[in-house]
Amino acid sequence: DAGITQSPRHKVTETGTPVTLRCHQTENHRYMYWYRQDPGHGLRLIHYSYGVKDTDKGEVSDGYSVSRSKTEDFLLTLESATSSQTSVYFCAISGNAGGWNGYTFGSGTRLTVV
Amino acid sequence: AQRVTQPEKLLSVFKGAPVELKCNYSYSGSPELFWYVQYSRQRLQLLLRHISRESIKGFTADLNKGETSFHLKKPFAQEEDSAMYYCAPPLSQTSGSRLTFGEGTQLTVNP
Repeated sequence: DAGITQSPRHKVTETGTPVTLRCHQTENHRYMYWYRQDPGHGLRLIHYSYGVKDTDKGEVSDGYSVSRSKTEDFLLTLESATSSQTSVYFCAISGNAGGWNGYTFGSGTRLTVV
Repeated sequence: AQRVTQPEKLLSVFKGAPVELKCNYSYSGSPELFWYVQYSRQRLQLLLRHISRESIKGFTADLNKGETSFHLKKPFAQEEDSAMYYCAPPLSQTSGSRLTFGEGTQLTVNP
């Protein structure tokens, strides 16, 4: 077990509805990240967190918001889902700013917006 | 943000042939870099890191500061090496503590 779980694993939702994805870690790591993975674009950072209630935007943050009220949970919300947000979403964690141990990823959430 | 570039989106080789996946970085200083691998429909996994100079599953990567590259190499590719490979720097090498990935290279090893 990698110590990081994402839920749900799959979700189909309708355009215009809000959607929340959850990332839960048991490693007590400070840094958490949300990425989306799309063909031809690789991995793009949506938002990240460097502590409880400390978050910042990534390169593709429009239409997304995040919250981190506890060390172990990092929530990603699509405020009003659009078809362009159909993607695979990955959460990642890291224990320190140096990143010398690399990053641990969740298994991903496959989101389809219809 | 500091960037890494993976110029090849697709790479196909035959089993037993050497393989090299390219990664170039754009920032100065003493970079540290990682290679991640993602097998079909699985999570990304750390493959190897520059700082440890290790060899995992027969893969090695050498940092070339003159060419600003960190290419991943394996002398004899195996079918099970077919996967998506990403090059990335650690937090301390990127502004705002972000992790900026390359776009990835899909490696296919044919029998």
